[in-house]
Amino acid sequence: SQTIHQWPATLVQPVGSPLSLECTVEGTSNPNLYWYRQAAGRGLQLLFYSVGIGQISSEVPQNLSASRPQDRQFILSSKKLLLSDSGFYLCAWSRGGLHEQYFGPGTRLTVT
Amino acid sequence: QKEVEQDPGPLSVPEGAIVSLNCTYSNSAFQYFMWYRQYSRKGPELLMYTYSSGNKEDGRFTAQVDKSSKYISLFIRDSQPSDSATYLCANLGKSTFGDGTTLTVKP
Repeated sequence: SQTIHQWPATLVQPVGSPLSLECTVEGTSNPNLYWYRQAAGRGLQLLFYSVGIGQISSEVPQNLSASRPQDRQFILSSKKLLLSDSGFYLCAWSRGGLHEQYFGPGTRLTVT
Repeated sequence: QKEVEQDPGPLSVPEGAIVSLNCTYSNSAFQYFMWYRQYSRKGPELLMYTYSSGNKEDGRFTAQVDKSSKYISLFIRDSQPSDSATYLCANLGKSTFGDGTTLTVKP
């Protein structure tokens, strides 16, 4: 069966500090991978998606970036965090573009 | 206008009630829809995945899509306290989510 991991689970970072969130998927190959952000009491906003190694599509212009160095690894980064970057970050995977998405446990980021 | 709009709630019902959760979408090209359940401070859990119009049933859950009115619904029969969560509808093609409806089922 497939499993998706995210870490860390919780993170508190000062404004201006760098960020690196990691997501890995087990039990499947060549998945589509997604990064979402969820603000408090709101739905999910798609940030990035990837259909393969090194292939990243950005949905929202911001100070975040994503990379996919390996088939089942997806990383979300920032060089300098803003207060507005606080939120619940979720990684998801799917078998393809029109297949259902499965989410990881999320990382709760607080920028102070 | 958001591409997927969801009844905001919150919704509170007694145990055993039938619950109806509703969303509308604006893009007639949307064909694939998902319903997720999200417990507090957890990742969303896929409940139902539907394509085209009609009903899809899975246990106590029924997902309904009406393409003529661009309306999607999730029905929960015999609701339980463990169903208390936020429910999210989504269009799969553009990964567009509603803001969620928070449901509380009271024993």
